[in-house]
Amino acid sequence: DAGITQSPRHKVTETGTPVTLRCHQTENHRYMYWYRQDPGHGLRLIHYSYGVKDTDKGEVSDGYSVSRSKTEDFLLTLESATSSQTSVYFCAISETGEAYEQYFGPGTRLTVT
Amino acid sequence: AQTVTQSQPEMSVQEAETVTLSCTYDTSENNYYLFWYKQPPSRQMILVIRQEAYKQQNATENRFSVNFQKAAKSFSLKISDSQLGDTAMYFCAFMKGRGSARQLTFGSGTQLTVLP
Repeated sequence: DAGITQSPRHKVTETGTPVTLRCHQTENHRYMYWYRQDPGHGLRLIHYSYGVKDTDKGEVSDGYSVSRSKTEDFLLTLESATSSQTSVYFCAISETGEAYEQYFGPGTRLTVT
Repeated sequence: AQTVTQSQPEMSVQEAETVTLSCTYDTSENNYYLFWYKQPPSRQMILVIRQEAYKQQNATENRFSVNFQKAAKSFSLKISDSQLGDTAMYFCAFMKGRGSARQLTFGSGTQLTVLP
């Protein structure tokens, strides 16, 4: 299994509070991604990174920011959490070369009350 | 933009039988990859199989195989000799090819239940 961890695994927070989710990899892969999973929508891309300090927006980026100061860490921040951001968040990684697969972390369940 | 459609929200199959999950996609790209991921109740996303669009031969991984019809933009997953452990949500996913940042676009999923 790819070495990907996410922290925290579960979090309950109140509307309006800032929240940061962390994704950590031990594979030295170049690409990292944040997705959210909601019923009826599958997984949707929030932001992704193609290198240290190189990030870009995905399909559902409003209300989220990211940072990648080291190869191994990719942070997702909700500046002011809203109830619509209640979801399961997955981090994924992918390497360069011909192996295009993405490998996923275990997910973080975030509840905004 | 790419879209991926899974028109079967739920399916069931008897243990040891064969089942086929459907997936269609829409793209103007010629170079791309297609994937099936499995998500059991543990919530972990597990890669089942992948297909490169430039390959005509359908991919196979043990009991899992695909029927890739490029002209029809169809990518179905066949599971043979179904086992109870195959019970999971299955997602079809699309990825642009070389030169992209390899983002995945997912379908909405098919919940497969294998019945004893």
